[in-house]
Amino acid sequence: EIVMTQSPATLSVSPGERATLSCRASQSVSSNLAWYQQKPGQAPRLLIYGASIRATGIPARFSGSGSGTEFTLTISILQSEDFAVYYCQQYNNWPPLTFGGGTKVEIK
Amino acid sequence: EVQLVESGGGLVQPGGSLRLSCAASGFTFSSYAMSWVRQAPGKGLEWVSAISGSGGSTYYADSVKGRFTISRDNSKNTLYLQMNSLRAEDTAVYYCAKAPYVWGSYQLDVWGKGTTVTVSS
Repeated sequence: EIVMTQSPATLSVSPGERATLSCRASQSVSSNLAWYQQKPGQAPRLLIYGASIRATGIPARFSGSGSGTEFTLTISILQSEDFAVYYCQQYNNWPPLTFGGGTKVEIK
Repeated sequence: EVQLVESGGGLVQPGGSLRLSCAASGFTFSSYAMSWVRQAPGKGLEWVSAISGSGGSTYYADSVKGRFTISRDNSKNTLYLQMNSLRAEDTAVYYCAKAPYVWGSYQLDVWGKGTTVTVSS
């Protein structure tokens, strides 16, 4: 099973600043990596797949990078609606599909 | 509009059973694999099970293998999760989610709002 590790667990950022979230895989997942956003009481929403491809309707301020075992989600200019929990997920080897533990982006 | 609506959650005693449903609309249901993903209170996301578009292939997480059964009725555009021998650790919000292809390991591009399962005496 591929273990996904996200850091930091919590990121405190001011609106208008940049946020950089990290995700590490226990073995290479190539570019088969997705990012999701989840707000309190809501379902996850797909942001990024293929490590760097924005899903339909996702604003350009969200960008993903990386391959192999190291990945980054960057939110270039944080808006109020971006404060949420973000999860990475690998789909290179399954079963199982595996998620990281999440990074909470909170208002500083 | 692509939509997934889960139902069937509730309170059940340890050792009991429950069947979850997920009604799909807005897309050709049989053309896409589907998954169940759960989230325990205050915790992260855990993939539970997946089924191919035809229903002929299924996968399970080790934590539910032998206790849960995923199935689908393409004539009714509905996904199911039969959960038996439930344990306290199965307590979670259960989401159904759509994959972008008929089978294979992919991202989950559409999610339902979830249904809550509580296992407690």
